[in-house]
Amino acid sequence: GENVEQHPSTLSVQEGDSAVIKCTYSDSASNYFPWYKQELGKGPQLIIDIRSNVGEKKDQRIAVTLNKTAKHFSLHITETQPEDSAVYFCAAEGNEKLTFGTGTRLTIIP
Amino acid sequence: KAGVTQTPRYLIKTRGQQVTLSCSPISGHRSVSWYQQTPGQGLQFLFEYFSETQRNKGNFPGRFSGRQFSNSRSEMNVSTLELGDSALYLCASTSGAPAVGNTIYFGEGSWLTVV
Repeated sequence: GENVEQHPSTLSVQEGDSAVIKCTYSDSASNYFPWYKQELGKGPQLIIDIRSNVGEKKDQRIAVTLNKTAKHFSLHITETQPEDSAVYFCAAEGNEKLTFGTGTRLTIIP
Repeated sequence: KAGVTQTPRYLIKTRGQQVTLSCSPISGHRSVSWYQQTPGQGLQFLFEYFSETQRNKGNFPGRFSGRQFSNSRSEMNVSTLELGDSALYLCASTSGAPAVGNTIYFGEGSWLTVV
């Protein structure tokens, strides 16, 4: 089955700096890669996603890149703000099943 | 419109007991999936239902079961609870049949503590 690895597990950045979270996946058949943000006491919420026919997607301060050959994808958050502090999960979908990474706890230092 | 609603939000059970968790999907959504979230294992897929049929199942023992009703509401049951079952159980819904790229929307989860 699919295996998704996510790094780093924790990340602290100064407010205004950029944050990058990286994921690798094992199943070359996977073709949909969403990212979720989970705030304390809440369920994960989709923030951006990318499909295998696209190499990069951007939504304001958030961008995701995908390298299908290397089987890795990354989340980039620019101009970080305190409200970006949360746990972020990557995921890969193949065979109608979503496999999640283990999460990255992002802390924005004011 | 209302999001995915899960009840109860918090519960404490004793080892050996059984528990039933409930999920009401977003209105109009017909597919419901369940996940277990623990600090050590992250988000683990339990099962997915569409039109009252289980479409997919994760690698969990038979103590974990679920069902979906004709109104798309879903329940999951865990029998003979073990300490390791303590976790946040998340329900998610999506609008159509399970398919690649359908956005799934999570509820806030049910926190289960087994003592």
